[in-house]
Amino acid sequence: AQRVTQPEKLLSVFKGAPVELKCNYSYSGSPELFWYVQYSRQRLQLLLRHISRESIKGFTADLNKGETSFHLKKPFAQEEDSAMYYCALSGLGGGADGLTFGKGTHLIIQP
Amino acid sequence: NAGVTQTPKFQVLKTGQSMTLQCAQDMNHNSMYWYRQDPGMGLRLIYYSASEGTTDKGEVPNGYNVSRLNKREFSLRLESAAPSQTSVYFCASRGGGSGSGANVLTFGAGSRLTVL
Repeated sequence: AQRVTQPEKLLSVFKGAPVELKCNYSYSGSPELFWYVQYSRQRLQLLLRHISRESIKGFTADLNKGETSFHLKKPFAQEEDSAMYYCALSGLGGGADGLTFGKGTHLIIQP
Repeated sequence: NAGVTQTPKFQVLKTGQSMTLQCAQDMNHNSMYWYRQDPGMGLRLIYYSASEGTTDKGEVPNGYNVSRLNKREFSLRLESAAPSQTSVYFCASRGGGSGSGANVLTFGAGSRLTVL
C-alpha cells in the first residue's frame, strides 16, 4: 500500500530562517511526488513536482529514493510563505486512482 | 480559462436537509475527485471518478453520494445532512496524458458547508 507521511502538523519559523517541510512516502515502485500549497482561504494549487526539478517561489524539493523522502526546502522564509502544504504521491495500484495525500503541514512564518 | 468550478461557495443547512454540491471542469480531464478538509485532518477523499460512468468510494464516503453526469460534471450529494459533515469541500480534476499537466490536480475554490 502506498502512504505519505508529513510528521509535522504545524511548523513555525521566523522570517529569514530556513524552512524544511518533511515528507516521507511508502511505495514499492517509482512514484511521482508533488507538493501542493493552499494560501489562506484560497484553493489548493500545485507548487512543484519532482520530475520538473525546478524551484518555485524559492522552494525546492529533491526526491531521495534511498530515504523515501521528498522534503520541501527554502533557504530564507518569507511571511507570504505562510500556508498549508500538502505532499502527494501518484503511483500505480494504490487506492483512489493511485493518488495519496499526506495530512498536511501548516507553515507559519513569524515576522 | 475557468478550470474547476464549484457551486455553491457557502451553504448553511439544518440537520436532515439534503443538498448537492456541483462541480464542473473544462479541461477534458477523465478523473475527478471530491475531498473534504477539516482542521487537523488534512484532505480526506470522499469519492472519485476515474472516468465518465464510473465512481468509487474514497476514505470517508458514508453519508454521501456522487454522480458523474458526464465528462465535465461530478456532483456530491448529502441526502440527510449531519453536523459532522460541516466542512470545506473541494472538487478536483486530474490531468492525463504525458505533458506538463499529466497527473496534476486542479482544484476548485471550495464550498464551505455548515450543518446546524
